[in-house]
Amino acid sequence: QVQLQESGPGLVKPSQTLSLTCTVSGGSISSGNYYWSWIRQPAGKGLEWIGRIKTSGSTNYNPSLKSRVTISVDTSKNQFSLQLSSVTAADTAVYYCAREPDYWGQGTLVTVSS
Amino acid sequence: QTVVTQEPSLTVSPGGTVTLTCASSTGEVTSGYYPNWFQQKPGQAPRSLIYGTSNKHSWTPAHFSGSLLGGKAALTLSGVQPEDEAEYYCLLYYGGARVFGGGTKLTVL
Repeated sequence: QVQLQESGPGLVKPSQTLSLTCTVSGGSISSGNYYWSWIRQPAGKGLEWIGRIKTSGSTNYNPSLKSRVTISVDTSKNQFSLQLSSVTAADTAVYYCAREPDYWGQGTLVTVSS
Repeated sequence: QTVVTQEPSLTVSPGGTVTLTCASSTGEVTSGYYPNWFQQKPGQAPRSLIYGTSNKHSWTPAHFSGSLLGGKAALTLSGVQPEDEAEYYCLLYYGGARVFGGGTKLTVL
């Protein structure tokens, strides 16, 4: 069974870049015709789709975040990553990685604070 | 900006049936929006239940079903169990982009 695990700093300073990695286990990230996604959830609020990538490199981003988001993939490490630049307190959330349309990671809390 | 709307909250009795809906600000929801449904319990990651309107995963309980109803996507729980109490989110596809609904808090009482 495919498993996903998010990793990265739990604390990021305002104006800096948030960087997270999702490691996929139980299968190759390159097998199948899947998209790999990032989603976030501020405390007590709903889910927000951030974007997705295919191992071909094709990406789609949330228009409201597009100017600040980069999603990349490293097939040799079976990982994909999220970078979100110029962060503010509003970017504080639990960040999830997922394989569309089925498996999700457990999530990682990222706090933006000085 | 596209908005996906769900009922903020619903209450159902154990053993009862409840339908949650998912509407798009762009108009009628069709199969082309590939509706997905997720369940999230407190402190847990969301879990996918339904994809592509009505397709279930191997782990999706049998009493959950997805459909299109009155221009919206719908998630129906038949024979509701206490453990179904959770937040439910729908997700619609808009070309390459995706938009989540605001979620429905389902109370089993």
